[in-house]
Amino acid sequence: ETGVTQTPRHLVMGMTNKKSLKCEQHLGHNAMYWYKQSAKKPLELMFVYSLEERVENNSVPSRFSPECPNSSHLFLHLHTLQPEDSALYLCASSQDTSGNTGELFFGEGSRLTVL
Amino acid sequence: AQSVTQLGSHVSVSEGALVLLRCNYSSSVPPYLFWYVQYPNQGLQLLLKYTSAATLVKGINGFEAEFKKSETSFHLTKPSAHMSDAAEYFCAVRRVSGTYKYIFGTGTRLKVLA
Repeated sequence: ETGVTQTPRHLVMGMTNKKSLKCEQHLGHNAMYWYKQSAKKPLELMFVYSLEERVENNSVPSRFSPECPNSSHLFLHLHTLQPEDSALYLCASSQDTSGNTGELFFGEGSRLTVL
Repeated sequence: AQSVTQLGSHVSVSEGALVLLRCNYSSSVPPYLFWYVQYPNQGLQLLLKYTSAATLVKGINGFEAEFKKSETSFHLTKPSAHMSDAAEYFCAVRRVSGTYKYIFGTGTRLKVLA
């Protein structure tokens, strides 16, 4: 496996379900991100982890709960979601060190539909 | 505060014609600038990046972009469009240091006509 891998690729859940999205990066990067992509909106940064520490939490509702157990894995735990949370959730990683441009490497995304 | 504006949410070109996708940024200091491409049902892939070296940047798939500080622009071009270029393109900016915040534009969907 190379790059950034996201599972599942597609998820349908009811408003009362609990599910999780998983992201794994094989690039040796030290930062990982969750973005939300909705139609006709710019990408929304949700969370950033650097060296397993959360460094950014962009006013995301508590029904989204991130977890970063190590520098290669990132989870997004979902519970009691709303239909407007239906979107493509993108995971990304970067190498953020001095002198590095830190471009983002994205996974293919998890398409979430909340019924 | 930084911002990115992509002019034109949809652009159509004929196969073989010039591709020009526009991006203007606002930043108090010279930033890093990126173009990403997204094919249907996929994540974003880096096309090219400007990191304060050469102002004309060449990327993958024959794309290039020119950083123009006086115009605060970073437009993406390709001399001859191919059907496989049909995708959504995103311009992004981030500060050189001290932040993990990438600001993305709203995207431009490129359609290539046969």
